[in-house]
Amino acid sequence: AQSVTQLDSQVPVFEEAPVELRCNYSSSVSVYLFWYVQYPNQGLQLLLKYLSGSTLVKGINGFEAEFNKSQTSFHLRKPSVHISDTAEYFCAVSDGPGGFKTIFGAGTRLFVKA
Amino acid sequence: GAVVSQHPSWVICKSGTSVKIECRSLDFQATTMFWYRQFPKQSLMLMATSNEGSKATYEQGVEKDKFLINHASLTLSTLTVTSAHPEDSSFYICSARVGQSGHQPQHFGDGTRLSIL
Repeated sequence: AQSVTQLDSQVPVFEEAPVELRCNYSSSVSVYLFWYVQYPNQGLQLLLKYLSGSTLVKGINGFEAEFNKSQTSFHLRKPSVHISDTAEYFCAVSDGPGGFKTIFGAGTRLFVKA
Repeated sequence: GAVVSQHPSWVICKSGTSVKIECRSLDFQATTMFWYRQFPKQSLMLMATSNEGSKATYEQGVEKDKFLINHASLTLSTLTVTSAHPEDSSFYICSARVGQSGHQPQHFGDGTRLSIL
């Protein structure tokens, strides 16, 4: 069975500092990996996804993530955050081509301080 | 592209009332739609998966008779909370996906905050 672990429930960081949000997954088959962002009282918006190919994936708003198969990780990074990046971030995994469900992590609250 | 509209965004009603929430894919056809429930400061809990024209598949522990899901067309799914009680108060989010494969991302509505008095 798949599972997703987001290691940090909250990450406070100062504006213009770099940030990394950690995500580890477990699955017995090949996976597809996603990062979503949720702003208050809204649904989730796709930031980026890894399906295959290059392990470094670039997404919207300057975010990128690196798929590391040996460490079963898919950490999200941004070199310089803005106040507007304050939100909840969810890592998600679904099975390979035959997959159907997507499993979400518990979320990481990124709080950017001025 | 890939816009999902969820309506209403906020509902306050009395205990015992039934509430219907609509989820529409505006610019694409959604083979599969998902309904989630989210408690404060927690992740999304999948309630059910619906495919157009067939019965929804409910997750373990979710009452089928309580949470009625209809996916009558490729652009519309509805969730009806029947005889709602205060414990049903929550944030409900729908999402839509093209196809059934896991490589397709889900596109989310903005959620419905349901408050039962």
